[in-house]
Amino acid sequence: EAGVAQSPRYKIIEKRQSVAFWCNPISGHATLYWYQQILGQGPKLLIQFQNNGVVDDSQLPKDRFSAERLKGVDSTLKIQPAKLEDSAVYLCASSLVRDTGKNIQYFGAGTRLSVL
Amino acid sequence: KQEVTQIPAALSVPEGENLVLNCSFTDSAIYNLQWFRQDPGKGLTSLLLIQSSQREQTSGRLNASLDKSSGRSTLYIAASQPGDSATYLCAVPNQAGTALIFGKGTTLSVSS
Repeated sequence: EAGVAQSPRYKIIEKRQSVAFWCNPISGHATLYWYQQILGQGPKLLIQFQNNGVVDDSQLPKDRFSAERLKGVDSTLKIQPAKLEDSAVYLCASSLVRDTGKNIQYFGAGTRLSVL
Repeated sequence: KQEVTQIPAALSVPEGENLVLNCSFTDSAIYNLQWFRQDPGKGLTSLLLIQSSQREQTSGRLNASLDKSSGRSTLYIAASQPGDSATYLCAVPNQAGTALIFGKGTTLSVSS
């Protein structure tokens, strides 16, 4: 079974530029998550999708971050414009069902973003 | 608001030692607790998931315990090996059950 795929693996941009990350979850997984992991910290949820609908985006900085999951499969996370503090690893995860109390989330390798 | 704390932040041991990683959480009303492993440049791999009704889970040389009333979990690694070197994270679901709240992790280094 293929895992969660993310691209690119690394991205270096200058502040105020735009960037986009792509995620392909495990086949059949209805729930998709984007986490931000700043160096030395644990991952923090940015947004959760159930199929193509948003379940939780309370911690997404909506003035600069956006995400979509068209057709309920692949997802794209965009930052526009980027700030220095956005430097982090962006992790995508997927799970079979929505309830995190009953199922395991599977994580991709992440995209490491450096904003100069 | 749930907070997860992990102690120590870093740990270095010689090969063969048994070791304990600690995790504490502030809200004891949790569905479960998970321990993850993160290798440099890679994503997270789930090691053990303990349901709230359980007190411990074992997988190979790993044993995780859960004490909800005191808000604590421990991950015991027996006979450590250099291949165990990684960052270990614990996580609990948020109140809405929509996502995981992670600790900052313990970075383990096992020398041969």
